[in-house]
Amino acid sequence: GENVEQHPSTLSVQEGDSAVIKCTYSDSASNYFPWYKQELGKGPQLIIDIRSNVGEKKDQRIAVTLNKTAKHFSLHITETQPEDSAVYFCAASTITPLVFGKGTRLSVIA
Amino acid sequence: NAGVTQTPKFQVLKTGQSMTLQCAQDMNHEYMSWYRQDPGMGLRLIHYSVGAGITDQGEVPNGYNVSRSTTEDFPLRLLSAAPSQTSVYFCASSFPGGAYEQFFGPGTRLTVL
Repeated sequence: GENVEQHPSTLSVQEGDSAVIKCTYSDSASNYFPWYKQELGKGPQLIIDIRSNVGEKKDQRIAVTLNKTAKHFSLHITETQPEDSAVYFCAASTITPLVFGKGTRLSVIA
Repeated sequence: NAGVTQTPKFQVLKTGQSMTLQCAQDMNHEYMSWYRQDPGMGLRLIHYSVGAGITDQGEVPNGYNVSRSTTEDFPLRLLSAAPSQTSVYFCASSFPGGAYEQFFGPGTRLTVL
């Protein structure tokens, strides 16, 4: 089955700097790669996703890149703000249920 | 729309007790799933359902039971609670297939003594 590895497990950045979180997956058939943000005491919420026919997708300060050959994808957050502090999860799937990475705790220091 | 709702928010059980975690959604989603979240372990799939009357096991199904009699509801039953089941449980729903946004509920924090 699919296996998703996520790095780093914790990340601290200064406000205004960029943050990058990386994930690798094992199943070359996976074609959907979402990113979820989980704030303290809440359920995860989708922030951006990418499909296998696209190499990059942007939404304001957030971007995701996908390298299908290397089987890895990354989340980029630019101009970080304190409200970006949260746990971020990557995931991968085909037509089966999503398989999640173990999460990255991002702290943005003001 | 209320989205995905879960009850209770918090629960404390003694070892051996049974209980049902409730999950309901009002978005007419066919796909529903249950995850548990433990520190450093991410979100692990317990059971999922692709429609009423159809359920399947996920990564960590032992000790849990599910049924899906309606599109809206997907309860999770703990048959005989164990301390290893202390966790935060999330229910999620989406359109069928793996390539759609999953909407998560607010979670149930369960402690088994």
